[in-house]
Amino acid sequence: KAGVTQTPRYLIKTRGQQVTLSCSPISGHRSVSWYQQTPGQGLQFLFEYFSETQRNKGNFPGRFSGRQFSNSRSEMNVSTLELGDSALYLCASHRDPNTGELFFGEGSRLTVL
Amino acid sequence: AQSVSQHNHHVILSEAASLELGCNYSYGGTVNLFWYVQYPGQHLQLLLKYFSGDPLVKGIKGFEAEFIKSKFSFNLRKPSVQWSDTAEYFCAVNADNQGGKLIFGQGTELSVKP
Repeated sequence: KAGVTQTPRYLIKTRGQQVTLSCSPISGHRSVSWYQQTPGQGLQFLFEYFSETQRNKGNFPGRFSGRQFSNSRSEMNVSTLELGDSALYLCASHRDPNTGELFFGEGSRLTVL
Repeated sequence: AQSVSQHNHHVILSEAASLELGCNYSYGGTVNLFWYVQYPGQHLQLLLKYFSGDPLVKGIKGFEAEFIKSKFSFNLRKPSVQWSDTAEYFCAVNADNQGGKLIFGQGTELSVKP
């Protein structure tokens, strides 16, 4: 069965712009989590959605937001981009919404100039 | 705050050598524990997991890990590494069944020389 699909794979933005990233989970998975991966900070949890509701949120500023649709697809948005937002953004879907066993996509690499 | 510490940033081994990667976490409650692996050019994937029961768990490709609750550790082992094991390895903790919220360690880059 198809894995987690993230689009776009690569994008370049300038400071002050906003960006929207998309994630389609594995068919049948109803939970989606987002992570930011950078060389300096490693993998950091952004937020998690289950059945269109945010269940958990990490320690990121309000510029980072997300949502989930009724078909379990998810989007995350970053507004007023800063240079430090350059990162690989990973989406993961869950077989079990409670255990943390995640299936990751290949990520969206964002470069902010 | 919860945290995960991986002892080694970069490990270099020759093929057939034994591997042990250390992982310690700080959290006193119920935990689910994971090792994820990222092969060059590929996405993160699950190597093995511990939820409960036997503290020695086996994963894919001959890897195993031992959960020692008293030491808050979950070390990864493999008796004999192969060149194809070259990858970055991440230890992660899910505390109190907090869904998709994992706390990851900083990762250990493993390079296996043929």
